Amino acid sequence: GENVEQHPSTLSVQEGDSAVIKCTYSDSASNYFPWYKQELGKRPQLIIDIRSNVGEKKDQRIAVTLNKTAKHFSLHITETQPEDSAVYFCAPTESSNTGKLIFGQGTTLQVKP
Amino acid sequence: GAGVSQSPSNKVTEKGKDVELRCDPISGHTALYWYRQSLGQGLEFLIYFQGNSAPDKSGLPSDRFSAERTGGSVSTLTIQRTQQEDSAVYLCASSLVGGGNQPQHFGDGTRLSIL
Repeated sequence: GENVEQHPSTLSVQEGDSAVIKCTYSDSASNYFPWYKQELGKRPQLIIDIRSNVGEKKDQRIAVTLNKTAKHFSLHITETQPEDSAVYFCAPTESSNTGKLIFGQGTTLQVKP
Repeated sequence: GAGVSQSPSNKVTEKGKDVELRCDPISGHTALYWYRQSLGQGLEFLIYFQGNSAPDKSGLPSDRFSAERTGGSVSTLTIQRTQQEDSAVYLCASSLVGGGNQPQHFGDGTRLSIL
């Protein structure tokens, strides 16, 4: 099955700085790579995703880059704001054609005002 | 509905009792997933439905866990003879179709506490 590792486990940045979270996976047939944001006590919220035929995707301050050869993808947040503070999960799909997501252990991002 | 709806939002029960958790997916979404999130942990896949069929039940932890989906819509996850290790947040997600590259949208979850 898919093995997913996410780094770092915690990240503290100053407001306005950039944050980068990296996710490595083992299943070379994975074809969908989402990132979720989860605030305390709330539902996981999809913030950006990328499919395996694309190398980079950007949505305002958030971007995701994919390196299929190296089997990793990264979340980039620029101009961080205190409201970006949350736990972020990568969740590549397992290649079983079911679409089930295999979640990383999460990165707690703290943005200091 | 506008989003994935789960009920109850909280459930406290005694060890050994049975519990039923309900998920109402986004209207028109044919794929439905159940995940479990233990305290401070990532999400763990439990079961996947496409329509009323469950082609992947590989994440169910034991035979005390079962799920069904009727009418291609509402799903119920049942846990029999609950144990303390079943305490977790149970999350449901739906997507337009299954198959591996469709966004999944989550409900607020059911927080289950076993005394």
